[in-house]
Amino acid sequence: DAKTTQPPSMDCAEGRAANLPCNHSTISGNEYVYWYRQIHSQGPQYIIHGLKNNETNEMASLIITEDRKSSTLILPHATLRDTAVYYCIVSGNTPLVFGKGTRLSVIA
Amino acid sequence: DTAVSQTPKYLVTQMGNDKSIKCEQNLGHDTMYWYKQDSKKFLKIMFSYNNKELIINETVPNRFSPKSPDKAHLNLHINSLELGDSAVYFCASSHAQGDSYEQYFGPGTRLTVT
Repeated sequence: DAKTTQPPSMDCAEGRAANLPCNHSTISGNEYVYWYRQIHSQGPQYIIHGLKNNETNEMASLIITEDRKSSTLILPHATLRDTAVYYCIVSGNTPLVFGKGTRLSVIA
Repeated sequence: DTAVSQTPKYLVTQMGNDKSIKCEQNLGHDTMYWYKQDSKKFLKIMFSYNNKELIINETVPNRFSPKSPDKAHLNLHINSLELGDSAVYFCASSHAQGDSYEQYFGPGTRLTVT
């Protein structure tokens, strides 16, 4: 079973920031937070991951709370092509367990 | 350049047949995986290979047999196909499992068993 909780769906206006929350209250000290997304009919795509510090790459930013019990994925300027299911996954040296994710709809 | 490729993209076959799905990665990764995504869209790991050796084998019927001829390839053979095997199968790869790693997925193979 997935060790994370995400809202089932969210909407975001095109050009605005999309903030996707994730709760992982049972995370262990050696477990990372990973974010993947799956655009319709495609394979999942890695976005970003972090342990305890905030992270940023060309796709997104990851904000992890100090107690590590929750995190937020930020897409700074959402486009229509960002419409996808976003998965928050907690994993150490174990297989990735995909939950139901959040279906993000970016609206023009 | 395709990082992780799978063939075929679509596979339609009848119950009882034996079929194979091929996967290749050109990322130089040590570890490869097979995932199954069913009609409810749940994505579950089936197998993981590291340097051609099986390291993860989830509860999967033994009709499914992965074969890794080298680090860049992980093929999935399915014997005696059943209706419930219909799903999208994704191959993925990553560097050797460690404290953190990101996986790169192929485009998927949609298997339909009739």
